Amino acid sequence: GQQVMQIPQYQHVQEGEDFTTYCNSSTTLSNIQWYKQRPGGHPVFLIQLVKSGEVKKQKRLTFQFGEAKKNSSLHITATQTTDVGTYFCAGPSTGNQFYFGTGTSLTVIP
Amino acid sequence: DAGVIQSPRHEVTEMGQEVTLRCKPISGHNSLFWYRQTMMRGLELLIYFNNNVPIDDSGMPEDRFSAKMPNASFSTLKIQPSEPRDSAVYFCASSPGQGGGNEKLFFGSGTQLSVL
Repeated sequence: GQQVMQIPQYQHVQEGEDFTTYCNSSTTLSNIQWYKQRPGGHPVFLIQLVKSGEVKKQKRLTFQFGEAKKNSSLHITATQTTDVGTYFCAGPSTGNQFYFGTGTSLTVIP
Repeated sequence: DAGVIQSPRHEVTEMGQEVTLRCKPISGHNSLFWYRQTMMRGLELLIYFNNNVPIDDSGMPEDRFSAKMPNASFSTLKIQPSEPRDSAVYFCASSPGQGGGNEKLFFGSGTQLSVL
C-alpha cells in the first residue's frame, strides 16, 4: 500500500541553526500537505503543494515539492524555540484519503 | 469560529469496558475523519465520513471499533470491549468538501485514552 516516510525521525538543533525534514512517497502524489503538531497538541495545517517542482515560503519556512511529485521537503531557517514540535507530511492515498508520514520531531535547544 | 470539538479530553478506563469518544465537526464541513495516534504507529486513519455516510472504514482495527455519524454535527467512535492496546490519542478532523485527498484538515484537540 501507499507509504509516506519521513527522515529524520528526530532532530535536535541549537537555536539559530537551520532544520530540514524530508518526505518520500512510494507513489506519485497529486498533492502534499504539511502539518505541525506542538507537544501535547493537535496537528495544524501549514501548507499544501500541488505542482511539480513547486516552492512555497512562509516566513522562515520553505516548502518544496519534487519534480516527480514523490518527495517533498520542509526547511526552517534560523530555528527558534517556537518551532519545537513534530512536522508531518500527508499525501492522498489511492482512495483519496490523507495518510500521514511518520513525522519528524524537532527539538530546539536555546 | 468554534473549531472541531472533541470530548472527553482524557478517558481512563479498565480493560473490557465500553468507551465512547465524541466529536462535533466545524459547522458546514461535509467530511469527518477519525485518526488514532500512537508512538509506534503514528497517525492512522480509522474511518472517514462524507455527508454523514461512512465512505472508508478500512482503517478500523477490528470489530470492537465502531463509528457513527447520525447527523452533520455529531459523530461517535465506540470501542467495546476496550483493551490496553487501544490506549492512544484519538483525533477527529473535519474538512469543508468531499474529503477527496486535497483538502485542508481541521483537527480537534484529541481524546487521550488510557485502558488499564
